[in-house]
Amino acid sequence: DVKVTQSSRYLVKRTGEKVFLECVQDMDHENMFWYRQDPGLGLRLIYFSYDVKMKEKGDIPEGYSVSREKKERFSLILESASTNQTSMYLCASSPPPGGNYGYTFGSGTRLTVV
Amino acid sequence: GDSVTQMEGPVTLSEEAFLTINCTYTATGYPSLFWYVQYPGEGLQLLLKATKADDKGSNKGFEATYRKETTSFHLEKGSVQVSDSAVYFCALSDRARDYGQNFVFGPGTRLSVLP
Repeated sequence: DVKVTQSSRYLVKRTGEKVFLECVQDMDHENMFWYRQDPGLGLRLIYFSYDVKMKEKGDIPEGYSVSREKKERFSLILESASTNQTSMYLCASSPPPGGNYGYTFGSGTRLTVV
Repeated sequence: GDSVTQMEGPVTLSEEAFLTINCTYTATGYPSLFWYVQYPGEGLQLLLKATKADDKGSNKGFEATYRKETTSFHLEKGSVQVSDSAVYFCALSDRARDYGQNFVFGPGTRLSVLP
């Protein structure tokens, strides 16, 4: 089975801290994604990457950056955490598009910024 | 652009009741369709999928049929259990995209099943 592993299930950080959320997948997938999930707002795409060192902005990139130095790892960075970034963060991966493939999600990281 | 609409709920049912969660889509191309499930405190898991018209996806007693004529992919289960309580997401994948992100998710429907 494809596995997508997010390094932390729960995180509590202080306002202004730099926060790193790590995601690793073990199936050699080209595509990786970061979403945030908030009540009433559904899933919103923050950034995605279709290759090493490649990244593209999603719908809500402000306040975030990403890093993909190796194919299996995709990191989400909160440059200066703020309370409005308190959320559930979900990482996903997929093979190249062709439409028949689903995304495989990690278990999520619930981040609280105080 | 592509979009997915689904009943937002919450949906509350008694155990052994019949479940339908409606999902309709708008797509410029010929998408693949998916249902994902999210149990409390977890990430999303693929529940079932269908890649062409009239295909039926099924898993764990859930079924959904790809209806191109009505642009729908409704999720059904004949007899729900308490353990089915979760949030269900309908999604489409645009196969015309060349690379990268090509999924569109619905807003999710929360299902609560009471004993």
